[in-house]
Amino acid sequence: QVHLQESGPGLVKTSETLSLTCAVSGYSIRSGYFWAWIRQPPGKGLEWIGSIYHTGDTHHNPPLKSRVTISVDTSENQFSLRLTSVTAADTATYYCARHDFIAPTLRDFFDSWGQGTLVTVSS
Amino acid sequence: QSVLTQPPSVSAAPGQKVTISCSGTYSNIGNNYVSWYQQLPGTAPKLLILDDDKRPSGIPDRFSGSKSGTSATLGITGLQTGDEADYYCETWDTSLSAVVFGGGTKLTVV
Repeated sequence: QVHLQESGPGLVKTSETLSLTCAVSGYSIRSGYFWAWIRQPPGKGLEWIGSIYHTGDTHHNPPLKSRVTISVDTSENQFSLRLTSVTAADTATYYCARHDFIAPTLRDFFDSWGQGTLVTVSS
Repeated sequence: QSVLTQPPSVSAAPGQKVTISCSGTYSNIGNNYVSWYQQLPGTAPKLLILDDDKRPSGIPDRFSGSKSGTSATLGITGLQTGDEADYYCETWDTSLSAVVFGGGTKLTVV
């Protein structure tokens, strides 16, 4: 049973960088799957941020791509998100998830999710 | 404005059936698989349907998915108060090269 757990600061100042880590247990990142970040502003819907494979291959949501870095650490079995130049619009609950994404068939779904962590951006 | 369009809310009585629609285009629903997620209040989303119409292990057969052209539908039968949640559709958009979600539908069982 795969388990994902987000960690990182709950408060980030405007214009600074948001950094989160997702620790994966019960499954080795090296074994496959993409690993994703998804966010949800308070009272709003879900927004995909991006996904990474253990080889480092990444896909990003185009509107966020210039501010987002997703990295993977297979030795620690975790992956991370960095979002630069944050504003109040980046206030959201951030989820990490396992992403079953097969490019040729464009089949994709998120089958395991972390509990989420609320990040507030404020000056 | 979401790429995939869902009704903001639906409601039905306990024991009844409800359907939730998800409308898109040929660059997303029309050519790629659709997934559905249930988000109970205060919790993370949970996968309900994958590959248009398949249920993961542990999901009761009261939940079903279907797709026709550029629209997908989630069906829930034998409604229970515990089904009250937000429901989201999701797929890959080939033109955007991105995962896209619907705006979500709040289900009320009254």
